[in-house]
Amino acid sequence: EAQVTQNPRYLITVTGKKLTVTCSQNMNHEYMSWYRQDPGLGLRQIYYSMNVEVTDKGDVPEGYKVSRKEKRNFPLILESPSPNQTSLYFCASGETGHTEAFFGQGTRLTVV
Amino acid sequence: KNQVEQSPQSLIILEGKNCTLQCNYTVSPFSNLRWYKQDTGRGPVSLTIMTFSENTKSNGRYTATLDADTKQSSLHITASQLSDSASYICVVSMEYGNKLVFGAGTILRVKS
Repeated sequence: EAQVTQNPRYLITVTGKKLTVTCSQNMNHEYMSWYRQDPGLGLRQIYYSMNVEVTDKGDVPEGYKVSRKEKRNFPLILESPSPNQTSLYFCASGETGHTEAFFGQGTRLTVV
Repeated sequence: KNQVEQSPQSLIILEGKNCTLQCNYTVSPFSNLRWYKQDTGRGPVSLTIMTFSENTKSNGRYTATLDADTKQSSLHITASQLSDSASYICVVSMEYGNKLVFGAGTILRVKS
């Protein structure tokens, strides 16, 4: 089954404690992306990757890092989480050329 | 500025009734427009995708239209069901670079 898998689904952490949210896709997609979703603001892009070792900033990259060492994985790293990063995070993948994007089920992160 | 605006913000309808959601965009250069359905706490799921040359596309009870001249799209839901209760998001893809511009969504609630 074609899918985008994020882990964990829920996470509560403390300010400043480094964390990683994993994202994996099994569709051999070149394009992967991370979004955060906050009430009233819709989905906002954090980082995206057009292919292995190619990443670029989205609209709200501050406080986040990503890496794309292999095609199927695109982890999101918060080196020093802060409460304003409390949000619902989605990973997505798709074929280059603007075809349909598949979203993961989301990771609800709370930073206290 | 590249923007996607959706209306109404929220909508309540009775089961069995039809409804139409609107999406206006100023994104350029345009590549394609997608409508997603997002159930609460879950990842968005694609309903339709339309390129510049397509002006209508259906997916079951969902029919999307696109007027590339006026930069408007609509999503029509026929014979609504309780399971249609969700947020509907309009997303416009820019030519080059897989840049997506998201609308804030319309929250639809279908009542029995």
